Amino acid sequence: AQKITQTQPGMFVQEKEAVTLDCTYDTSDQSYGLFWYKQPSSGEMIFLIYQGSYDEQNATEGRYSLNFQKARKSANLVISASQLGDSAMYFCAMRELSGGSYIPTFGRGTSLIVHP
Amino acid sequence: DADVTQTPRNRITKTGKRIMLECSQTKGHDRMYWYRQDPGLGLRLIYYSFDVKDINKGEISDGYSVSRQAQAKFSLSLESAIPNQTALYFCATSTLETSLNTGELFFGEGSRLTVL
Repeated sequence: AQKITQTQPGMFVQEKEAVTLDCTYDTSDQSYGLFWYKQPSSGEMIFLIYQGSYDEQNATEGRYSLNFQKARKSANLVISASQLGDSAMYFCAMRELSGGSYIPTFGRGTSLIVHP
Repeated sequence: DADVTQTPRNRITKTGKRIMLECSQTKGHDRMYWYRQDPGLGLRLIYYSFDVKDINKGEISDGYSVSRQAQAKFSLSLESAIPNQTALYFCATSTLETSLNTGELFFGEGSRLTVL
């Protein structure tokens, strides 16, 4: 079973609108971390935002916010005021304890296209 | 210069050849990782190392080996390349997560490998 599930292979949004990218996760640990990364068409991986499992407030970084619903095991990325440069692949990742070490596991990604 | 450097950036090889992908970092991080990215599958962990004497298999280690020559260097080898190892390979580093540090991954620019 997948540890990280991103159910939206592709999403479209109008420029200046907000968009939510879904991410659900599966873990029995109490301590874990959730991350979102962006991969533009140029291929590099860019860290966007982090949420710790004990953080009570949703993380925010500029136009990015993470809607963390612990009981539902979801960590959705919200991008406000979309820009053309937001068009990219977005990956949700979780760092959890595996074999005695905390290692990051990624979802399959969501492709976001921002229309002018 | 990039903090995490991968060489080569692109490589085309033939089935059965031995291939080495190299990764070096100037971030001073102890933790290094090799991921493989395939379309629709996200990033999957091949091997990871938390210090020079520590090597651990990831989700898809079969057909791969690694060497941690120094804190700054982590190489991935394909002893006998096969076509289904055609993929984009990423090296990444991280530091230990603390109350002041999320432990996010810092990625190299990727190595695109094609096995004919």
